[in-house]
Amino acid sequence: ETGVTQTPRHLVMGMTNKKSLKCEQHLGHNAMYWYKQSAKKPLELMFVYNFKEQTENNSVPSRFSPECPNSSHLFLHLHTLQPEDSALYLCASSPGGKDTGELFFGEGSRLTVL
Amino acid sequence: QKEVEQDPGPLSVPEGAIVSLNCTYSNSAFQYFMWYRQYSRKGPELLMYTYSSGNKEDGRFTAQVDKSSKYISLFIRDSQPSDSATYLCAMLAKAAGNKLTFGGGTRVLVKP
Repeated sequence: ETGVTQTPRHLVMGMTNKKSLKCEQHLGHNAMYWYKQSAKKPLELMFVYNFKEQTENNSVPSRFSPECPNSSHLFLHLHTLQPEDSALYLCASSPGGKDTGELFFGEGSRLTVL
Repeated sequence: QKEVEQDPGPLSVPEGAIVSLNCTYSNSAFQYFMWYRQYSRKGPELLMYTYSSGNKEDGRFTAQVDKSSKYISLFIRDSQPSDSATYLCAMLAKAAGNKLTFGGGTRVLVKP
C-alpha cells in the first residue's frame, strides 16, 4: 500500500455511540494531522502530531480524542457527538521538521451523526 | 474578514477554455502558497506550490503570486473534463510550523 489510508470511508453513528477513525500512512513521514471539512467551509485543522507528540490542538471539543501510537498511525476517537459534527474528516501527513505546506491527504472518512 | 477569501463558484467552462482561479488574503506573513485539487469523494492533493512572489508553470498549470496585492492565481490552459474538481488555495506563514490556512475552495466544471 502507498500513501495515506483512512478507515472507515463512511460512518453513521448516534449521539451516544463511541467510534474511532483510523489513519495509516506509508510514506515514512513524521507528522500527521486531522482536518475537518464541512460543506461550504474551509478545511479546519483539528490536531497535529509531530514525531508522535501532539503539537497542536485547535480548540477542538473533548468529544474528539486523538491518539498517535507511532509515526505511521493516527486515530480519532469519537464519543457523544452532535449532529453538527457531521463532516468529512481528513487525515494528512507530511515529512515533519521544516515543513513547507505540502500535505498528503487520505480520502477521508465521511461521518454522519444522527 | 476571513484570512483567505476564495469564490466558491461553481465555475463552468467549455472544454479547451482557460480556467482562472484566484484567492485574496489579509495576512502579510504568508510566504508559501499552494493550490490543492480535490476530486469528489477524494482527499485534496497538492497541485502547485510557490514560495514568495512570482510565477510557476507546470504543464497546463500556471500559479502566480502577487504579494504586494495579497492575491494569488491559478490558470489552467486547454482545460479538460478531467480538470473538473474543487480547487483549494492554501497559505503558510514561515513561523506557523505547518499550519496551513485554506480558502473555502472553488468548484470547477469543465463541460465537454
